[in-house]
Amino acid sequence: DFQMTQSPSYVSASVGDRVIITCQASQVINNFLNWYQQKPGKAPKLLIYDATNLQIGAPSRFSGSGSGTHYTLTISSLQPEDIATYFCQQYDNLPPLFGGGTRVDIK
Amino acid sequence: QVQLQESGPGPVMPSQTLSLTCAVSGASISSGDFYWTWIRQHPETGLEFIGHIHYSRGPYYNPSLQSRVSISIDTSKHHFSLQLTSVTAADTAVYFCARGNNWSYGVNWFDPWGPGTLVTVSS
Repeated sequence: DFQMTQSPSYVSASVGDRVIITCQASQVINNFLNWYQQKPGKAPKLLIYDATNLQIGAPSRFSGSGSGTHYTLTISSLQPEDIATYFCQQYDNLPPLFGGGTRVDIK
Repeated sequence: QVQLQESGPGPVMPSQTLSLTCAVSGASISSGDFYWTWIRQHPETGLEFIGHIHYSRGPYYNPSLQSRVSISIDTSKHHFSLQLTSVTAADTAVYFCARGNNWSYGVNWFDPWGPGTLVTVSS
């Protein structure tokens, strides 16, 4: 079965810290990978598309990278408003598949 | 500004049919650029793609739900709908509708999403 594995599942960091979230696909997905931010009680919002492209309106402290089966979402300087759960999503294969999510909290 | 809004009748009894509608405003539901999508989120697990529909290409369903799901579109009313039959407690989830962006091989990303509606399956 095709799988998307996110790690860590939970991260607690201080304001200003660099936070890195990873998404590992069980097979090559050719950069067909998006990231979403979901704040408590809200719907997910597209944050990064095609692995590296920042969605219009998203803060520049968010960035995406990766290739092959391994992708990362980086928050360069964590802010209080970044408290949320982050999901990756691949579209190289049907059906689209989401990672299990990473909850980010402030220490 | 594109907005989506889910609506439905509320709790569903086991073995019955779950029915939801997503009203679309600020964008043409007849645009060839988009797939109109249903996604759900279980309380303890992640996000699950249910299926989508294109106004001219018809629906695509997640194989894991294909035998129970139906998605339809009504361009005159600017909405699309989800039906999920023979529900069980495992179908209790927050159901989101979303606009999927069309690319060469189907849908790539989902933006925007509706606020979501909690559907509880319980007797």
